[in-house]
Amino acid sequence: AQSVAQPEDQVNVAEGNPLTVKCTYSVSGNPYLFWYVQYPNRGLQFLLKYITGDNLVKGSYGFEAEFNKSQTSFHLKKPSALVSDSALYFCAVRDMGNTPLVFGKGTRLSVIA
Amino acid sequence: GAVVSQHPSWVICKSGTSVKIECRSLDFQATTMFWYRQFPKQSLMLMATSNEGSKATYEQGVEKDKFLINHASLTLSTLTVTSAHPEDSSFYICSARTGQPQHFGDGTRLSIL
Repeated sequence: AQSVAQPEDQVNVAEGNPLTVKCTYSVSGNPYLFWYVQYPNRGLQFLLKYITGDNLVKGSYGFEAEFNKSQTSFHLKKPSALVSDSALYFCAVRDMGNTPLVFGKGTRLSVIA
Repeated sequence: GAVVSQHPSWVICKSGTSVKIECRSLDFQATTMFWYRQFPKQSLMLMATSNEGSKATYEQGVEKDKFLINHASLTLSTLTVTSAHPEDSSFYICSARTGQPQHFGDGTRLSIL
């Protein structure tokens, strides 16, 4: 069965500093990995995905993530955080079949001015 | 980018009422649509998966007679919460997919009095 772990409920970072939101996964076979962001009372917005190819994936709003197969990780990063990045971030995984996404529990990011 | 429209965004109704939520993919045809439920400060819980023209597949513990799903076309799926009660109050989010990634609606906040 597929699973996703986001070990941090909350991440606090000062504006302008780099940020990292952690994610590890478990899946049979090759993973499809995703990051989504959720603002209050809104649905999920797609940030980036890894399907195949380069391990470093660049996405929306300056975010990037690195796929590490040996560590089964897909951490989300941004070189310089903005206050407007404050939101709830979800990591998700699925296998290559037509299966639904499995989500982590989410990590709340707070960027402090 | 791909847009998923969900309507209504907010519903308040009396106990015993049935409520219908619509999910439309506006600029793509969705081979598969998903319905999720999200409790406060928690992750998304998959309720059911539906493919156009066939019966929805419900996750374990989700009552199919309570949560009726109709996927009548490649651009429209509906979720009807029948005889809603206060414990059905939640944030419901639909999602649509054709290829990658999955796209999400903005959610419907359902409050049953």
